Amino acid sequence: AQSVTQLDSQVPVFEEAPVELRCNYSSSVSVYLFWYVQYPNQGLQLLLKYLSGSTLVKGINGFEAEFNKSQTSFHLRKPSVHISDTAEYFCAVRSWGTASKLTFGTGTRLQVTL
Amino acid sequence: GAVVSQHPSRVICKSGTSVKIECRSLDFQATTMFWYRQFPKQSLMLMATSNEGSKATYEQGVEKDKFLINHASLTLSTLTVTSAHPEDSSFYICSARGGQTQETQYFGPGTRLLVL
Repeated sequence: AQSVTQLDSQVPVFEEAPVELRCNYSSSVSVYLFWYVQYPNQGLQLLLKYLSGSTLVKGINGFEAEFNKSQTSFHLRKPSVHISDTAEYFCAVRSWGTASKLTFGTGTRLQVTL
Repeated sequence: GAVVSQHPSRVICKSGTSVKIECRSLDFQATTMFWYRQFPKQSLMLMATSNEGSKATYEQGVEKDKFLINHASLTLSTLTVTSAHPEDSSFYICSARGGQTQETQYFGPGTRLLVL
């Protein structure tokens, strides 16, 4: 079994400030890791993913995340946020294997203000 | 990236009627499709998983006779909410993976269902 923990349900931040959204996971096997963003009344858009290789992955819209196996974390970061980054962010994990399912965290609401 | 579409984006229906939602993978063959339900300010709840040409596998607590899923081709899956009631009102999101995107699930834009 696997699980994902997003400890912060809401993260308020001023525009142009840096932000980190935390994600920790638990799994007994190797996993793929994902961050998705959801804007109001829309589906989920893939921000970035870690499948293998370099632990620092870069995604769309200036976001990046670092896979830390020892700390079982996959925190999402952006050095300077914009108002348009206001959205819900979901961390997700899936174990290797075609039959495995995606497990989501509870989401973090990023609220960017002027 | 891979694109998944859903239709309709929004539907309002009367209690007791059935509603069909279509999910299409536009630029890849989706060997596996997923249907999720999302309540306001909550995460996604997986309802069922379907593989092309096979019967869908439903999650515990999801009524298979209520939520009919058909995955007839590698690019199309449908979810039919039968005899809809107000408590079925929700945001339904489909997702797909397959082809060269086996590790990654791509999501549709969602369908807002309101049952009066």
